[in-house]
Order: sequence, then structure tokens, then C-alpha cells
Amino acid sequence: AQTVTQSQPEMSVQEAETVTLSCTYDTSESDYYLFWYKQPPSRQMILVIRQEAYKQQNATENRFSVNFQKAAKSFSLKISDSQLGDAAMYFCAYGAFGTASKLTFGTGTRLQVTL
Amino acid sequence: NAGVMQNPRHLVRRRGQEARLRCSPMKGHSHVYWYRQLPEEGLKFMVYLQKENIIDESGMPKERFSAEFPKEGPSILRIQQVVRGDSAAYFCASSPVAGNGNTEAFFGQGTRLTVV
Repeated sequence: AQTVTQSQPEMSVQEAETVTLSCTYDTSESDYYLFWYKQPPSRQMILVIRQEAYKQQNATENRFSVNFQKAAKSFSLKISDSQLGDAAMYFCAYGAFGTASKLTFGTGTRLQVTL
Repeated sequence: NAGVMQNPRHLVRRRGQEARLRCSPMKGHSHVYWYRQLPEEGLKFMVYLQKENIIDESGMPKERFSAEFPKEGPSILRIQQVVRGDSAAYFCASSPVAGNGNTEAFFGQGTRLTVV
């Protein structure tokens, strides 16, 4: 069974600074998808970024980028130029190829953004 | 195009009562997924349904929990004889096709169930 581990329960970053959230996973599959979701206090799950395992290039979405290390099974999220609105819970998730909406989530990292 | 709609947003039930949670997927979406989020934890997959079919219920507790997605109307997650341990946020997600990672699964805002 796949597992996703987020070892940082809480992180803090100053506004305009950069922060990296860690995620590791375990799978025996070679094709799969990885996701970062943001959950603000409203509880809405918002997709931040996704990565296809067969792509070597790291995904980027504006201020959000990932460092995908397939051999190490690591998938960290970098948030640049942090904004107050980035404060939320961030969940790393794994989706198997063909059933990628059946997601396995990590336990989350709570990100605080300070002035 | 309205997003995934879940209702109610908050539901309070006494122990032993039944809870019915509803999920209307996005227009054009025929695949629905239910997840449960216990306090301070990530979401855990429960069940995957297509119209009138349960495709994968590997995450569903064996007793008291059931789900359906009829031809017409919303998907329903039903919890019979609720216990305090059922208190959680229940999320529904929908996608237009079997999620292959290239199609985003859109989440609703969840139903927070409190069992007193």
C-alpha cells in the first residue's frame, strides 16, 4: 500500500520569504501522480500543483514549484514570495496511475505566514 | 458552473441516529469520491462511485456505512447508528472521467459531522 509522510507538522515563514514543505512517499509503482493541496480555514481543498511521475521536469505554478526526486521518493513544495493568503494546511497526496482521484494523503503541514 | 456542492455543511447527530450526507458533483462529472478527515489528520479515501455503481469501497468501514450515486440526484453517504468516533469532516470530490491525474478532481467544502 502507498504511504505519504509529511514530517513537518508546522512551518512558519515571513511574508515575501521562501519556504519549503517536505513530503516523502512509498510506492512500488513506476507511474503515478503527486499533488499538493491547500486547505484554508474554510476547509475547501484547493489543488496547488501536480506532478506526473514520468516527467522529469519539476512542475511550476506561479510562486509554487516542486522538487521531485523520484529515486528518493521525495516531493517537496517551494513557495516563493510568501503572502499572508498562503497561510493554510498543506497536504501532499499520491494518486496511482489510472485511478489518480483515489488519493492517499499525508497528515499535513500547517503553514503560518508572519509579517 | 457551480462547484461540487455538499450539504449540509454542518450536521449534529446524537449517538445511535442516522446521518445522511449529500454530494452533488460538478455538472458533467460522473465520478464521485468520498473522503473522511479526522481532526488533525489528512483525508482518507472511503469510496469511489460512478452513476449507479460502486467501483471501489476499499476504504469504507464494513458496518454502518454505505454510499450510493443514483442515476438521478446527488450521491449519498449514509452512516447508521452513529458513534462519537464518526465525528469528522466528510469530503466529496468529483471528476469527469476516471481520474488519470490529468483531470483534476474537484472537492466540495465538506460536511462536518458532530456526534453528541
